[in-house]
Amino acid sequence: GAVVSQHPSRVICKSGTSVKIECRSLDFQATTMFWYRQFPKQSLMLMATSNEGSKATYEQGVEKDKFLINHASLTLSTLTVTSAHPEDSSFYICSAERAGDTQYFGPGTRLTVL
Amino acid sequence: GENVEQHPSTLSVQEGDSAVIKCTYSDSASNYFPWYKQELGKRPQLIIDIRSNVGEKKDQRIAVTLNKTAKHFSLHITETQPEDSAVYFCAASLQAGGTSYGKLTFGQGTILTVHP
Repeated sequence: GAVVSQHPSRVICKSGTSVKIECRSLDFQATTMFWYRQFPKQSLMLMATSNEGSKATYEQGVEKDKFLINHASLTLSTLTVTSAHPEDSSFYICSAERAGDTQYFGPGTRLTVL
Repeated sequence: GENVEQHPSTLSVQEGDSAVIKCTYSDSASNYFPWYKQELGKRPQLIIDIRSNVGEKKDQRIAVTLNKTAKHFSLHITETQPEDSAVYFCAASLQAGGTSYGKLTFGQGTILTVHP
């Protein structure tokens, strides 16, 4: 149990376009999901905490209008990178928290902005 | 907020040797400390975790120790194998009550290489 999926696994887009990444908990309900960003050979940096049915809580320095998060159901959270630019290229990983348990991570999405 | 420091950044050992990775945290209120293994391009996988009411936890070749007074915790891997090669991250969080474990603050990571 505790499987988390992400889609897409890889995306290449042109500068100025928006990209949506989905994070799903497949076999459990997650009231809380987290979005992380990871640069090559670096650690995971928390971007925001997503709670089902309420607004996401963003970490300091993360632009909420740039990285739109929606947690519409107990099994789905989405991250939309709006007007993407090359500096947004990164590995984006979500995690889902099962009640009374720790976070389980998705496989990540590699975003490349040309 | 919480700050987690992890050392060493790289660790190279021979197969069969032990490996130790250390982390320190700043917030004395933190009470949950997981360790993750991440292979290149893959998701972090939880390998072991410990709560602040426990000083040591072991799972086969892997153990974690926690010193709350000194605010540091360590990962110990014995009888290392080449497949243990990966990046290891420590993390800390505060489980404030209820069911949420809270947001994780990660260490910088340790690249472990086990030579056959």
